[in-house]
Amino acid sequence: AAGVIQSPRHLIKEKRETATLKCYPIPRHDTVYWYQQGPGQDPQFLISFYEKMQSDKGSIPDRFSAQQFSDYHSELNMSSLELGDSALYFCASESPLFEAFFGQGTRLTVV
Amino acid sequence: KQEVTQIPAALSVPEGENLVLNCSFTDSAIYNLQWFRQDPGKGLTSLLLIQSSQREQTSGRLNASLDKSSGRSTLYIAASQPGDSATYLCAVRGGTASKLTFGTGTRLQVTL
Repeated sequence: AAGVIQSPRHLIKEKRETATLKCYPIPRHDTVYWYQQGPGQDPQFLISFYEKMQSDKGSIPDRFSAQQFSDYHSELNMSSLELGDSALYFCASESPLFEAFFGQGTRLTVV
Repeated sequence: KQEVTQIPAALSVPEGENLVLNCSFTDSAIYNLQWFRQDPGKGLTSLLLIQSSQREQTSGRLNASLDKSSGRSTLYIAASQPGDSATYLCAVRGGTASKLTFGTGTRLQVTL
C-alpha cells in the first residue's frame, strides 16, 4: 500500500540558510499535517492543510511557511535556519476516517 | 488546551509478559484517539485508531481501550516480544480535520 513519502530523508544546512521539505500524501488523502519532533520530545504540530487551504496553525515560526499544491503534495519552507531548528520533521496525511498516517520524516541538522 | 500524559515514561519487561500502557487526556471532547509506535529516529507507525464512540479496538496482540468520560486510554500488549521494543505514543484529535495532540510517550524495552 502506498505510504506518505517525504524528501529528503536527511538534510544538513548551515545557519541562516534555507531548506525546503517535501511531502507526498497517500492518494485520495486531502489533509496534510506537519509536525516537528526534537530529540526526546513528542511531535509538535506546526501547520495543516485541507484541500490546498491552510486549516490550522500551531507553533510554527514566522521564518517557516508551507503550502499544499494542486496535486496535494505539500512543501515546508524554512528560512534563516537556526541551530534550534535541528529536528525530525514529519508529514502526515489523513484518511476519510480521520486516521493519520505519517511519513518516515526528514532529519534536519543545522550546523 | 488539551494535555496528554502517558505513564509510565519508561518500562522494561522480560519477554512473554503482558503489559499495559496508560494515556490520559484533560479534555474529554475528543473525536478519536490513535496509538502509534516509533522506533528510534524513525517515523510513527499507526497501531490502533479508536473513534470516540468506541470502547476498544484490537489488532493481533494489541488491544486499546477508551474511556472518554474519564479521559483515559490503555494499550494492552499480550505476550511481549523483543521486537515490541520501541516508544509508544498516544494522540488525541479534538474534531474532524483537527491536529493530533501527542502524549509524552512510553519507552518500552522487552528483554530476552
